Amino acid sequence: QTVVTQEPSFSVSPGATVTLTCGLSSGSVSTSHLPSWYHQTPGQAPRTLIYTTNSRSSGVPDRFSGSILGNKAALTITGAQADDESDYYCVLYMGSGNWLFGGGTKLTVL
Amino acid sequence: EVQLLESGGNLVQPGGSLRLSCAASGFTFSRYAMSWVRQSPGKGLEWVSLISGDGGSTYYADSVKGRFTISRDNSKNTVYLQMNSLRAEDTAVYYCAKLEGWTLPHFSPYFDSWGQGILVTVSS
Repeated sequence: QTVVTQEPSFSVSPGATVTLTCGLSSGSVSTSHLPSWYHQTPGQAPRTLIYTTNSRSSGVPDRFSGSILGNKAALTITGAQADDESDYYCVLYMGSGNWLFGGGTKLTVL
Repeated sequence: EVQLLESGGNLVQPGGSLRLSCAASGFTFSRYAMSWVRQSPGKGLEWVSLISGDGGSTYYADSVKGRFTISRDNSKNTVYLQMNSLRAEDTAVYYCAKLEGWTLPHFSPYFDSWGQGILVTVSS
């Protein structure tokens, strides 16, 4: 059974750059998986950050960017801020109407 | 402004049934595919089901296939999730999500708007 892999946790200093990744337990992530990224704070609904690999959702600051790095999708936050502390999820389109979410990365900014 | 409002969550016994509703506003409902995504307590997000804008195509995660049914009423701008044979592991907050980009010619879907979620608890 294919699993989408994300770092369970990541810590970054304010102002630093961090890259979160999204991989597959078997195979490589490509643009055909239409990777998208969402963030979620406790008790709140997810919010869309990045779609189709590298397009920013409306209102998302340009310090958030998406890409493919090697065999994974990646979310880079340039100049992390305290309110970027959140859970970050990627999701991949697996075809035939099916989607797979990663387990999420808990980002701490300190 | 897009608004998605889930309802119908409750405490239900294992083996029981429940129907969730998601009332949509702020967009032309029939033009968009809709999906349900759930989140078990303290866990990550899990895609559950998707329905096309005209309701003609439906898709399910393996974990709910044969037990859950997604449907929609475009005259009421509402999408439903009928959940049967519920199990403890179905306990979760269920989110309704609107999909952008589901249709051709530029097939590039993603979840662009989310409801606030509704809690379903399966327990005896």
